[in-house]
Amino acid sequence: AQSVSQHNHHVILSEAASLELGCNYSYGGTVNLFWYVQYPGQHLQLLLKYFSGDPLVKGIKGFEAEFIKSKFSFNLRKPSVQWSDTAEYFCAVNALQAAGNKLTFGGGTRVLVKP
Amino acid sequence: DTEVTQTPKHLVMGMTNKKSLKCEQHMGHRAMYWYKQKAKKPPELMFVYSYEKLSINESVPSRFSPECPNSSLLNLHLHALQPEDSALYLCASRGVQGSVPTGELFFGEGSRLTVL
Repeated sequence: AQSVSQHNHHVILSEAASLELGCNYSYGGTVNLFWYVQYPGQHLQLLLKYFSGDPLVKGIKGFEAEFIKSKFSFNLRKPSVQWSDTAEYFCAVNALQAAGNKLTFGGGTRVLVKP
Repeated sequence: DTEVTQTPKHLVMGMTNKKSLKCEQHMGHRAMYWYKQKAKKPPELMFVYSYEKLSINESVPSRFSPECPNSSLLNLHLHALQPEDSALYLCASRGVQGSVPTGELFFGEGSRLTVL
């Protein structure tokens, strides 16, 4: 079964700092990759997704992610964060050939941006 | 705004009550999902319906009973729940590209359940 690891559980940074959140998955086949954000008290929102093609994916709110197949990684980046980026960030993987077509989430990274 | 609609948004119930959560989508998606999310944790898969048939049950206790009356609707019937079942319950449907299912899930805003 596939698994997803997010290495940082908590990240604290100041406004205008750069953000990078790590995500690794374990599955050898074809995958779809996602980053979701959940603002305090709110529902999941899709930040960006990777299906195929250019491994550098741009999403909403200035976020981007890079798929490195050889490293089984899909790290999220933002060059300059804002206070409003304070949220929980979830990486998720769908292993397309695996039974059931399940979306598996990483444990999440809680990001706090100090004004 | 999400195209997956969940009702009610909030629900408080006692341990002897019977209630239901409802989910609806009109995007023509043929797979629908129930996830459970506890505070500060990732969503955990509960059930998957594909073409109105239950395809995955992640060993969920029988006090949770899913139902898929048609391709647009998904219900979760709740009976004799425990306080530890209090959580955000998320419904999702799986997208398609043309007629081919993708791996992308579209989530509703969730139903926040409190069991007293």
